[in-house]
Amino acid sequence: KNQVEQSPQSLIILEGKNCTLQCNYTVSPFSNLRWYKQDTGRGPVSLTIMTFSENTKSNGRYTATLDADTKQSSLHITASQLSDSASYICVVSAGDMRFGAGTRLTVKP
Amino acid sequence: NAGVTQTPKFRVLKTGQSMTLLCAQDMNHEYMYWYRQDPGMGLRLIHYSVGEGTTAKGEVPDGYNVSRLKKQNFLLGLESAAPSQTSVYFCASSYGGPYSYEQYFGPGTRLTVT
Repeated sequence: KNQVEQSPQSLIILEGKNCTLQCNYTVSPFSNLRWYKQDTGRGPVSLTIMTFSENTKSNGRYTATLDADTKQSSLHITASQLSDSASYICVVSAGDMRFGAGTRLTVKP
Repeated sequence: NAGVTQTPKFRVLKTGQSMTLLCAQDMNHEYMYWYRQDPGMGLRLIHYSVGEGTTAKGEVPDGYNVSRLKKQNFLLGLESAAPSQTSVYFCASSYGGPYSYEQYFGPGTRLTVT
């Protein structure tokens, strides 16, 4: 069983709308949590990284939150654009790096 | 500044054939990694290197070998390809350990074994 679970598996939204992606993890001890964006046919690119003591981190229209007590993180995308269509991957570092399977986001005009 | 490059981009092998994937980085990073990505699963670490001349096993090393003869290059070899090795392979590099330093990924190699 993967120790990093992401939901939903896929999501379709209209351009300009907001959305939130979820990441639940069971790995311990916890070092940091990252969100990556992976465009089709490309390698992952880092969006945010949060340590245990950080609750939120923003990168433009992307805002990640972390609740270390409940072991949950979310990635909120504001005012979506067509270029946001991609897979978003949650990665938890805890001794080693554990990758979630990703959420496939499609933004339609 | 090309970042992390991988060759080839696509490859089709027959069962039992061998091949080598090449990863190159121009950022003077010490750490380099090979991952595989399969549908519905997260990236899994195959092998990694913490510096020139060093290699170590990751989560799924069986059936693969690696070499790091030069700091900028990290080679992944398949001695006898199997259909289970059909996957997309990503190389990554980082200045230091992945827990503290960002990993930079290459564009991937799509390998099909028939």
